[in-house]
Amino acid sequence: AQSVAQPEDQVNVAEGNPLTVKCTYSVSGNPYLFWYVQYPNRGLQFLLKYITGDNLVKGSYGFEAEFNKSQTSFHLKKPSALVSDSALYFCAVRGAGSARQLTFGSGTQLTVLP
Amino acid sequence: EAGVAQSPRYKIIEKRQSVAFWCNPISGHATLYWYQQILGQGPKLLIQFQNNGVVDDSQLPKDRFSAERLKGVDSTLKIQPAKLEDSAVYLCASSSLGGGRSSYEQYFGPGTRLTVT
Repeated sequence: AQSVAQPEDQVNVAEGNPLTVKCTYSVSGNPYLFWYVQYPNRGLQFLLKYITGDNLVKGSYGFEAEFNKSQTSFHLKKPSALVSDSALYFCAVRGAGSARQLTFGSGTQLTVLP
Repeated sequence: EAGVAQSPRYKIIEKRQSVAFWCNPISGHATLYWYQQILGQGPKLLIQFQNNGVVDDSQLPKDRFSAERLKGVDSTLKIQPAKLEDSAVYLCASSSLGGGRSSYEQYFGPGTRLTVT
């Protein structure tokens, strides 16, 4: 069975500092990895994905994530955090092949302090 | 491009009552998903449709939950009878079936927050 672990329920960072939100995964075969962000009372918004290719993936709003196969990790990063980045972040994984379901982590609440 | 639409946004019912949620996916998206998101957890897939056929409903509690997608467009999710533990946000998502990299991206609606008392 596939799974995702987000070890930190809460991450606090000062505005302007770099941020990292951690994610590790377990899946059979090659993983497809995703990050989504959720603002209060809103649905999830797609940020970025890794399917194949370059291990460093760039996404929306200046976010990026690095796929590390040996560590089975896909950490989300941003060089300089903004107060508006404060939200709930979800990592998700699915196995390669059609009709494989997406499995989400439990989420990490990011708070950027002014 | 219009996003995924869901209604109602909020619903409060008593246990043992029934409730239905509606979803209209992004135009042209063949795949539609219903997720349950309990407070403090990530979304959990309940059912996945491709056009009007069910692809995966392995985590749908079929004794009380049902879903349909008539004509391969809109979808409804029904709970009958509701239990206290059904209190959650029900998210609908859709994705394209083009076979390209974008087909792996799911686009989510705002969700329906259900409270069962």
